[in-house]
Amino acid sequence: GENVEQHPSTLSVQEGDSAVIKCTYSDSASNYFPWYKQELGKGPQLIIDIRSNVGEKKDQRIAVTLNKTAKHFSLHITETQPEDSAVYFCAASRGGSTLGRLYFGRGTQLTVWP
Amino acid sequence: ETGVTQSPTHLIKTRGQQVTLRCSSQSGHNTVSWYQQALGQGPQFIFQYYREEENGRGNFPPRFSGLQFPNYSSELNVNALELDDSALYLCASTRGGTGGTVGEQYFGPGTRLTVT
Repeated sequence: GENVEQHPSTLSVQEGDSAVIKCTYSDSASNYFPWYKQELGKGPQLIIDIRSNVGEKKDQRIAVTLNKTAKHFSLHITETQPEDSAVYFCAASRGGSTLGRLYFGRGTQLTVWP
Repeated sequence: ETGVTQSPTHLIKTRGQQVTLRCSSQSGHNTVSWYQQALGQGPQFIFQYYREEENGRGNFPPRFSGLQFPNYSSELNVNALELDDSALYLCASTRGGTGGTVGEQYFGPGTRLTVT
């Protein structure tokens, strides 16, 4: 099955700085890579996703890049704010008969200091 | 906020008991997946329901079972509870049947299960 690894496990940045979280995956058939933000006591919230036919996607302060050859993808958050503090999860999935079973990384605890 | 709701919010059970968790999917979504999230870990896939049938299962024993109803809501049942079943149980809904393309999955707030 798929194996998703995520680094770092914790990340502390000053408000206004950038944050980068990196993930690798093992299954070359994976073609969908979402990122989730999970705040304390809440369910994961989809913040951005990318499909394998695209190398980069941006949504305001958040961007995701994908390198299919190296099997890694990254989340970039610019101009970080204290409300960005949360646990971030990357995930990988493929289409087909199982309609999007998600394989998650172990998460990154992001802390943004004011 | 997604349109996915779960009940109850919290639950405390004793080892050996049985539990039923409920999930209502987002409007227009016909597929529900259940995940178990242990403390400090990423969610782990339990199984998925599409058009009222199980459509894929993760590495969980048969005492984890589920149902999906005609309105696409779903239940997760766990029999013979063990201490290790203590976790946050999440459901996620998506629109399936789109020619194999993975649709965005939206999660509910989860049910926190504690087994003592």
